[in-house]
Amino acid sequence: DIQMTQSPSTLSASVGDRVTITCRASQSISNRLAWYQQKPGKAPKLLIYKASSLESGVPSRFSGSGSGTEFTLTISSLQPDDFATYYCQQYDYYWTFGQGTKVEIK
Amino acid sequence: EVQLLESGGGLVQPGGSLRLSCAASGFTFSRYALTWVRQAPGKGLEWVSNIIVSDDLTYYADPVKGRFTISRDNSKNTLYLQMNSLRAEDTAFYYCARLKGVGNYVPFDLWGHGTLVTVSS
Repeated sequence: DIQMTQSPSTLSASVGDRVTITCRASQSISNRLAWYQQKPGKAPKLLIYKASSLESGVPSRFSGSGSGTEFTLTISSLQPDDFATYYCQQYDYYWTFGQGTKVEIK
Repeated sequence: EVQLLESGGGLVQPGGSLRLSCAASGFTFSRYALTWVRQAPGKGLEWVSNIIVSDDLTYYADPVKGRFTISRDNSKNTLYLQMNSLRAEDTAFYYCARLKGVGNYVPFDLWGHGTLVTVSS
């Protein structure tokens, strides 16, 4: 099984901050990596796929990078609507999610 | 409107069964692979099962293999998850979702709102 490890688990930040979340795969997954945003009581929302492709309708302040085993999600200027939990997901072999990173208000 | 709507959740005793449904609208249901993902209260996301366009190809996570069965009725635009021999650790919100575009190893681009399954005596 492919394991996905996110860091940090919790991140405290202020509006306007640049935020970076890291996701590591236990083996190479090429660029088959997605990022999701989930708010309390809501379903996850796809933000990024193929490691760096922005899903339609997602603000351009979100970006993704990486390949192989190391990936990052960056929010260039954190907005009030961005406080949420973020999950990475590999889809190279079956489908596995990271444990999540909660972005909270500092 | 493009959407997925789950139903069928509820309280069930350990060892019992439950069938979840997911009704799709606003897109050509038969052209897409579909999935079930669950989330225990306060925990992270866990992939459960996928089904391709027909019933011919299905995938299951190890914790549910042999107990859960995914199926679809393309004439009714509905996805199902039959859950047998339920355990306390199956307690979770269950989301159905659509796989993005063509292919199987792709992410999930459309999600339902979820339905809660509670396994308890």
